[in-house]
Amino acid sequence: GAGVSQSPRYKVAKRGQDVALRCDPISGHVSLFWYQQALGQGPEFLTYFQNEAQLDKSGLPSDRFFAERPEGSVSTLKIQRTQQEDSAVYLCASSLVSLISSYNSPLHFGNGTRLTVT
Amino acid sequence: EDQVTQSPEALRLQEGESSSLNCSYTVSGLRGLFWYRQDPGKGPEFLFTLYSAGEEKEKERLKATLTKKESFLHITAPKPEDSATYLCAVRHDIYSGAGSYQLTFGKGTKLSVIP
Repeated sequence: GAGVSQSPRYKVAKRGQDVALRCDPISGHVSLFWYQQALGQGPEFLTYFQNEAQLDKSGLPSDRFFAERPEGSVSTLKIQRTQQEDSAVYLCASSLVSLISSYNSPLHFGNGTRLTVT
Repeated sequence: EDQVTQSPEALRLQEGESSSLNCSYTVSGLRGLFWYRQDPGKGPEFLFTLYSAGEEKEKERLKATLTKKESFLHITAPKPEDSATYLCAVRHDIYSGAGSYQLTFGKGTKLSVIP
């Protein structure tokens, strides 16, 4: 596809339920990020993949959050035992090159998944 | 603590009324400053990257400038379709001696252009 695709667009989960959010990055993009955006705030970094390797997960708020990118393309962000404070928009972004070695490349974002925990 | 602060939080302009948005940053080892536009229900859309003080970039009615402490996004003769939230983000050295890849975002400026 032409851009980063995320699904589902909206997810409503009952507190305690597990959810899985999917990201299809732009084909061939090496770097993939997950960001969390609360209402009225800027996006906040969660985790970074270079191909299939998760190089940084320092932004994941708790051990209930888990991300994977097993074949270096599609990525899934999983949240276990969801809590109300997990309600936010989860944004995926990709970049053509490895950002470890080249910081010039901008990130291309998907339209996000809006998660509401009731 | 490293910070990115955007002002104002919200701005209402009449169509054709030029203005500027501000992004100030207190990070060390700036590797790039990025401007994004975000429409409601959409992800951020890349506008500009600036790397060094004195640099300027233009796109249609938008011009971004960078100093050592802040960046400005100038909007000339805005139109209603320019209404959006404008986000500023910086990429900077986080670990000593290493490159950086994270973007640290400000909270954004919500721009409304009234016909």
